[in-house]
Amino acid sequence: DGGITQSPKYLFRKEGQNVTLSCEQNLNHDAMYWYRQDPGQGLRLIYYSQIVNDFQKGDIAEGYSVSREKKESFPLTVTSAQKNPTAFYLCASSIGGRRYNEQFFGPGTRLTVL
Amino acid sequence: KNQVEQSPQSLIILEGKNCTLQCNYTVSPFSNLRWYKQDTGRGPVSLTIMTFSENTKSNGRYTATLDADTKQSSLHITASQLSDSASYICVVTLLNDYKLSFGAGTTVTVRA
Repeated sequence: DGGITQSPKYLFRKEGQNVTLSCEQNLNHDAMYWYRQDPGQGLRLIYYSQIVNDFQKGDIAEGYSVSREKKESFPLTVTSAQKNPTAFYLCASSIGGRRYNEQFFGPGTRLTVL
Repeated sequence: KNQVEQSPQSLIILEGKNCTLQCNYTVSPFSNLRWYKQDTGRGPVSLTIMTFSENTKSNGRYTATLDADTKQSSLHITASQLSDSASYICVVTLLNDYKLSFGAGTTVTVRA
């Protein structure tokens, strides 16, 4: 069953803690992306990776970190430096970084800071 | 300021009725425009994609139109069903950039 999986579905964090969100894909896609979704706003790009061992900052990278050690995996760490981390986080992948390639999204992780 | 504006923000329709969602964009140069459907608590799923040379694209009861001259797109839902209740997101891709510009979405609620 091909697709993108994200875990956990719900995540609760205490202030000052780092948390890592998992994203795995078995679509053999080269490019992977992390977005943040807040109510009333469009998705905003946090980080993206077009190839293994390489990634770039998106529009709102401050307070986040990523790694891309394997083609299938692109975990996102929300650090304590992120002042307002409560949001819905979406991971996506595409065949390549080319503009017309469709991005396929995972089911999302809802992070809540207590 | 968001370069992709959607209207209305939300709407409620009765099952079986039609509705039309609007998307106006200012980003350029334009490559393509997609409409995504996002169920509550789920990831978006692509409904249609149109390049600048296409005026209309259908996917079942969903029909998207595009006017590249006025930078406007619409998504028409025909004979709505309860399962159409979702957020519909307009996404524009720039010609010289792989990054996407997302609208905030229109939340559609279909009631029996």
